[in-house]
Amino acid sequence: GQNIDQPTEMTATEGAIVQINCTYQTSGFNGLFWYQQHAGEAPTFLSYNVLDGLEEKGRFSSFLSRSKGYSYLLLKELQMKDSASYLCAGLDSNYQLIWGAGTKLIIKP
Amino acid sequence: IAGITQAPTSQILAAGRRMTLRCTQDMRHNAMYWYRQDLGLGLRLIHYSNTAGTTGKGEVPDGYSVSRANTDDFPLTLASAVPSQTSVYFCASSDNSEGPLHFGNGTRLTVT
Repeated sequence: GQNIDQPTEMTATEGAIVQINCTYQTSGFNGLFWYQQHAGEAPTFLSYNVLDGLEEKGRFSSFLSRSKGYSYLLLKELQMKDSASYLCAGLDSNYQLIWGAGTKLIIKP
Repeated sequence: IAGITQAPTSQILAAGRRMTLRCTQDMRHNAMYWYRQDLGLGLRLIHYSNTAGTTGKGEVPDGYSVSRANTDDFPLTLASAVPSQTSVYFCASSDNSEGPLHFGNGTRLTVT
């Protein structure tokens, strides 16, 4: 079956770095997405990886290893506004998104 | 401002009633989707449309129907609501099958 696994909740300190991991099993693979969702709001797109390696966008970076079925989202210089849920989603061979349940990130001062 | 508009924002509905959730986008995106989001679960696809005039079933289509008469609109209908359909519903669109999704602000539906 198809599955996305990510931790349910993580806590980090303002100004620090946090890494949110995601492992995936999909029927075929056409890329991996990360979305941010603040409480009570819609998800918003953060990153897309289809090739192995690290993609950097300001304070946020996303990494993909296709051979390991693994991705992570790295958030640097954490700010209180980064408190949100982070959703990992894999795109399968039929271009259907398979979603993880999300990781709730709590930032403490 | 370009984007996706959903209506209503929230609704309390008696079981057995019919309800249509509205979704309109002005980005001329080909693909549109309806998801439900429940606590502790990932987003689950209800129905999708790859282009105007076509629709397809997602992971949890039972009890829901959709239509795609034109590019902009993608309404979701609950023919006879049941309490298990209590959820937050998100409409989304994308330019193509590999593109990122743009989400509406969601409809919080409570079926009593």
